Amino acid sequence: AQSVTQLDSHVSVSEGTPVLLRCNYSSSYSPSLFWYVQHPNKGLQLLLKYTSAATLVKGINGFEAEFKKSETSFHLTKPSAHMSDAAEYFCVLNTGGFKTIFGAGTRLFVKA
Amino acid sequence: EAQVTQNPRYLITVTGKKLTVTCSQNMNHEYMSWYRQDPGLGLRQIYYSMNVEVTDKGDVPEGYKVSRKEKRNFPLILESPSPNQTSLYFCASSPQKAAKNIQYFGAGTRLSVL
Repeated sequence: AQSVTQLDSHVSVSEGTPVLLRCNYSSSYSPSLFWYVQHPNKGLQLLLKYTSAATLVKGINGFEAEFKKSETSFHLTKPSAHMSDAAEYFCVLNTGGFKTIFGAGTRLFVKA
Repeated sequence: EAQVTQNPRYLITVTGKKLTVTCSQNMNHEYMSWYRQDPGLGLRQIYYSMNVEVTDKGDVPEGYKVSRKEKRNFPLILESPSPNQTSLYFCASSPQKAAKNIQYFGAGTRLSVL
């Protein structure tokens, strides 16, 4: 079965410190994995995607994610958090077909 | 400007009163999809469409209908809304099948069913 698990429902960091949002997946096929961000009262915006090319993927706004097949993980990181990064983040799996599976989301809080 | 447009943005209705939420994209995308977002559950796929006149169920299709008569439009129909359909709804489109392509999302429709 295909599934996505975001390991933390909430993450709180101080401005200027690193961000780590964790995502594990389960897929019988070669996965395509995405991270989307949703700012309050907004739609979803793509941060980055992995589609079987380089395992370290760079996205917008300084975010990056590393695909680790052995750990079935696709964690999102950023070296230094900014106040504008406060939002909800979704890890998303496409399994080669037409269905899309979202994780439950991780809400990121950034303290001044 | 390339975009996915949903209407209305906010809707309050009563149980059993049929409603339609429209979705239109101007990017000539083949793939379109509807999701609902509920707290703690992320987004769950309701229906998707691979092309005109081709639709299929997602994970939570009960109580919803869709149609794809034109490439740009993909309306979501609630024939007899119930309070458990109170949610935030998103429409999305993608150039080809969603597996390797990003999806572009509308701004969302917040629906309350009383």
